[in-house]
Amino acid sequence: GNSVTQMEGPVTLSEEAFLTINCTYTATGYPSLFWYVQYPGEGLQLLLKATKADDKGSNKGFEATYRKETTSFHLEKGSVQVSDSAVYFCALSLMFSGGYNKLIFGAGTRLAVHP
Amino acid sequence: KAGVTQTPRYLIKTRGQQVTLSCSPISGHRSVSWYQQTPGQGLQFLFEYFSETQRNKGNFPGRFSGRQFSNSRSEMNVSTLELGDSALYLCASSLDRGYEQYFGPGTRLTVT
Repeated sequence: GNSVTQMEGPVTLSEEAFLTINCTYTATGYPSLFWYVQYPGEGLQLLLKATKADDKGSNKGFEATYRKETTSFHLEKGSVQVSDSAVYFCALSLMFSGGYNKLIFGAGTRLAVHP
Repeated sequence: KAGVTQTPRYLIKTRGQQVTLSCSPISGHRSVSWYQQTPGQGLQFLFEYFSETQRNKGNFPGRFSGRQFSNSRSEMNVSTLELGDSALYLCASSLDRGYEQYFGPGTRLTVT
């Protein structure tokens, strides 16, 4: 089946540290891949996306590269800030011949950044 | 452009009751999807509507239903509420299939 696996959290970092959150996927076909972020008490915000192999999504200093050979889409940021503290979700979307698409999410990784 | 709005933001209901949640998509978006978020099961797809038609449904019992109106606004209904239905219900809108989905703030439902 189709699924997303994320590294378990919480991830605790000091401000300005380097961040990596691992994400791997299993999918039939060629998925689009996404990272969403959820701040406390809020819905999900799209952080970045990639729609085909070797695409790099980037936004607000975050980056992730679609690696088909390793079925991975790891999230990275060179220097985290306290304001980056949130829960990060990796997700995939598949286009089926029936014409629907839905997001399949990983379990989420909580990031806590301390000053 | 206004984002996705969901009402109400918080609800407390009793077991056995029914509830209706509302979602207004971003202007011009015709696809609306619903997701349930719980600590135990994470984020799970409920259903998707496009042009007033349900295009797909997730693995939820028939107590969960929805509809979409001609202006793309959507409602979801849960009948005969159970304690396990306590969750954050998120609505997402997109232009159509294949486009990124934008989420609302969610409705927090507590069943007592």
